[in-house]
Amino acid sequence: QKEVEQNSGPLSVPEGAIASLNCTYSDRVSQSFFWYRQYSGKSPELIMSIYSNGDKEDGRFTAQLNKASQYVSLLIRDSQPSDSATYLCAIEFMRFGAGTRLTVKP
Amino acid sequence: GAGVSQSPRYKVAKRGQDVALRCDPISGHVSLFWYQQALGQGPEFLTYFQNEAQLDKSGLPSDRFFAERPEGSVSTLKIQRTQQEDSAVYLCASSLGLAGGLGTDTQYFGPGTRLTVL
Repeated sequence: QKEVEQNSGPLSVPEGAIASLNCTYSDRVSQSFFWYRQYSGKSPELIMSIYSNGDKEDGRFTAQLNKASQYVSLLIRDSQPSDSATYLCAIEFMRFGAGTRLTVKP
Repeated sequence: GAGVSQSPRYKVAKRGQDVALRCDPISGHVSLFWYQQALGQGPEFLTYFQNEAQLDKSGLPSDRFFAERPEGSVSTLKIQRTQQEDSAVYLCASSLGLAGGLGTDTQYFGPGTRLTVL
């Protein structure tokens, strides 16, 4: 089992819809959780960080963390074509998932 | 500059050559990380520095890989006797605080160096 697993994708949603990205992790003592967006040929850029159970909202993005179930998710509301990218889940500083490719269709 | 910079942006090496990749972190950032990212994969951790101290090098794939940060600022990743499997994008990231320091451990990535070994 990989340390960080993301839904395999690719994920395609229509413009204006909600995109849901999921990530599970194996290390129960993890404390820091991050979502990065990576456009093709570019480096990852941070979207959200979350450290405690529950929801954290920032604009159209909501991160959800459930430490008991060892999962973290990212919801993107009112998806835009510019959201089309690969989304990386990261646990602590060293463990990244393989990424989920999201395409938002106009 | 305001962000993390890396040089060169692209490097082509013949198998067996040595290469050196440079990372300039954001000024004042304590932590510096190196990652290797293969096409279609997430970044794979290589090594971590806290100031000049290399605290974790568990991700370095072989003894051909060596990293240093002698003055706690600029870092160099050196790969000796490059192999085709070393072809990847090498990403550097820095953060203000210590790894594990909640709220200050946000990483900022550089643009990466794309290494191609022929």
